[in-house]
Amino acid sequence: ETGVTQTPRHLVMGMTNKKSLKCEQHLGHNAMYWYKQSAKKPLELMFVYSLEERVENNSVPSRFSPECPNSSHLFLHLHTLQPEDSALYLCASSQEIQYSNQPQHFGDGTRLSIL
Amino acid sequence: AQSVAQPEDQVNVAEGNPLTVKCTYSVSGNPYLFWYVQYPNRGLQFLLKYITGDNLVKGSYGFEAEFNKSQTSFHLKKPSALVSDSALYFCAVRASGNYGGSQGNLIFGKGTKLSVKP
Repeated sequence: ETGVTQTPRHLVMGMTNKKSLKCEQHLGHNAMYWYKQSAKKPLELMFVYSLEERVENNSVPSRFSPECPNSSHLFLHLHTLQPEDSALYLCASSQEIQYSNQPQHFGDGTRLSIL
Repeated sequence: AQSVAQPEDQVNVAEGNPLTVKCTYSVSGNPYLFWYVQYPNRGLQFLLKYITGDNLVKGSYGFEAEFNKSQTSFHLKKPSALVSDSALYFCAVRASGNYGGSQGNLIFGKGTKLSVKP
């Protein structure tokens, strides 16, 4: 139990569908992150939120839309995805983004498959 | 620019033997260094970190890592490997200090698959 819960664990969707990934952290952290993990590639940071404000957007296509309604919840809204978007999407949280000696805590991810 | 290199895609070890997973880094100033482990169908799990002080850091499950500033390395070690240690291991680095924005991002290596055979 890492304190970071992601749902659903698996998601299969067509390219024209709209779906959302959910992340919830029970650690009292103020920063939350979305990462994409593809086979044979390094972990890619997608979005960073600090106290519900987006502080980082790493040139992610607009078909990925994040939302952070409060410091405990993070969503990733998906629409019109491409086959290359199939990957494991990981959510993480940490105390504060400015205090760089603190580890990030990860959820178990959502395995996304685009048909 | 910050970077992390894990030169081995895979490390194979016999159970009971010592293991080493290598990591070198590049960062401006002093680094904060982390090791994570990922088991199949799971997220990344924090193992240990180096912030300052003693160069030998002890972490979870009997793992330890040695910080070597002159070689800019932070190799992960364990004296006696277990089959259950088989997993994907990630090294990560961040520049020390109070940063916002991309300077504070955690940079991950591409991962090393550890296989421990009975």
